[in-house]
Amino acid sequence: GAGVSQSPSNKVTEKGKDVELRCDPISGHTALYWYRQSLGQGLEFLIYFQGNSAPDKSGLPSDRFSAERTGGSVSTLTIQRTQQEDSAVYLCASSATGLGSPFFGEGSRLTVL
Amino acid sequence: DAKTTQPNSMESNEEEPVHLPCNHSTISGTDYIHWYRQLPSQGPEYVIHGLTSNVNNRMASLAIAEDRKSSTLILHRATLRDAAVYYCILRADYGGSQGNLIFGKGTKLSVKP
Repeated sequence: GAGVSQSPSNKVTEKGKDVELRCDPISGHTALYWYRQSLGQGLEFLIYFQGNSAPDKSGLPSDRFSAERTGGSVSTLTIQRTQQEDSAVYLCASSATGLGSPFFGEGSRLTVL
Repeated sequence: DAKTTQPNSMESNEEEPVHLPCNHSTISGTDYIHWYRQLPSQGPEYVIHGLTSNVNNRMASLAIAEDRKSSTLILHRATLRDAAVYYCILRADYGGSQGNLIFGKGTKLSVKP
């Protein structure tokens, strides 16, 4: 597609359930980023992929959060045993190699009841 | 990554120029200056970036101080659609691999009709 695509756009889940959020980057983009944004807050970096490897996982808030990327394309962010504080918009961005500036998707809004 | 300082908020009148300042006194030689904006309920949108020289594109201009310790994003004629949070971000580039985009709190720009 033309832009970064994220799914689902909205997800409501119960506390304790696992959720998976998907990101389809712009075709050919090798770098992929995950951020989250809680209501009224700034963007919090979670993880960065270059190809299929993640050189920087420093932003993952706990071991309940994990992410993978396969085939240098689609990435999945998994949150296990969700908590109410996980409620946020999860944003994905991708960029080309070199000096490309990341382009963001519209985000996946997660609500944990 | 070096830190940036921006005013929390600014106001502008429609069809007037807007100058959004950013201080980055600890910038290093490999840091590029990036500007993104985030409209309400949307993901961040790339605006412009530069290293040393001033830059122009269809959205805005970026004026970079000679010592690179500050920069200014210039919107030549503000429209109501330009009301957003504007983020000034330093991002290291290491000759083909990129650092992360670390977002601060940004400047909330209001545009009055």
